[in-house]
Amino acid sequence: GAVVSQHPSWVICKSGTSVKIECRSLDFQATTMFWYRQFPKQSLMLMATSNEGSKATYEQGVEKDKFLINHASLTLSTLTVTSAHPEDSSFYICSAKVASPGAYEQYFGPGTRLTVT
Amino acid sequence: KQEVTQIPAALSVPEGENLVLNCSFTDSAIYNLQWFRQDPGKGLTSLLLIQSSQREQTSGRLNASLDKSSGRSTLYIAASQPGDSATYLCAVRSGANSKLTFGKGITLSVRP
Repeated sequence: GAVVSQHPSWVICKSGTSVKIECRSLDFQATTMFWYRQFPKQSLMLMATSNEGSKATYEQGVEKDKFLINHASLTLSTLTVTSAHPEDSSFYICSAKVASPGAYEQYFGPGTRLTVT
Repeated sequence: KQEVTQIPAALSVPEGENLVLNCSFTDSAIYNLQWFRQDPGKGLTSLLLIQSSQREQTSGRLNASLDKSSGRSTLYIAASQPGDSATYLCAVRSGANSKLTFGKGITLSVRP
């Protein structure tokens, strides 16, 4: 099946610093990748949709200058949390779109736990 | 706006029991519905995907049904095992290029 990886799996950073999270599709090309955020015992909330080679589309309420998304290739998307604050601490999950005839599935990465101190 | 509800939030059953997890959605005009499993601190594993034209999908001990008109889907787990303990999320896609709308999930605990 389609495999999506994320790196790092967890990261601790100091308030005010920036941190980059990578999302890779390992055995397929992903024209579209999605970034989600999940708080404890809460559902996944879509932050943005990125298409290879174009600007990401952010969901309402998500600060695009704070959460920088780059989808430079068909196998890599990055999320950079700039000037991180403790309230940015969360579980970030990426997902890649797999298009096949008559179906449409998303495969998810293992997630990245961000803790801002 | 599509809303997805999963009740109860948590469920505990003894090993071997057959169980049903429920998912309801407010807008019946969906493209497909997907069930995921999430282990603590991990990402999502896709279990079953049901297209809007389908009524059910099966994979091993799992069976998912879809009733669009009533806005409901169920995930049936046969002969539950401790290894089935996880959070099960239901997600609905309204259109081919629409985003997935997730429920909050049901945390299942299967007691040995």
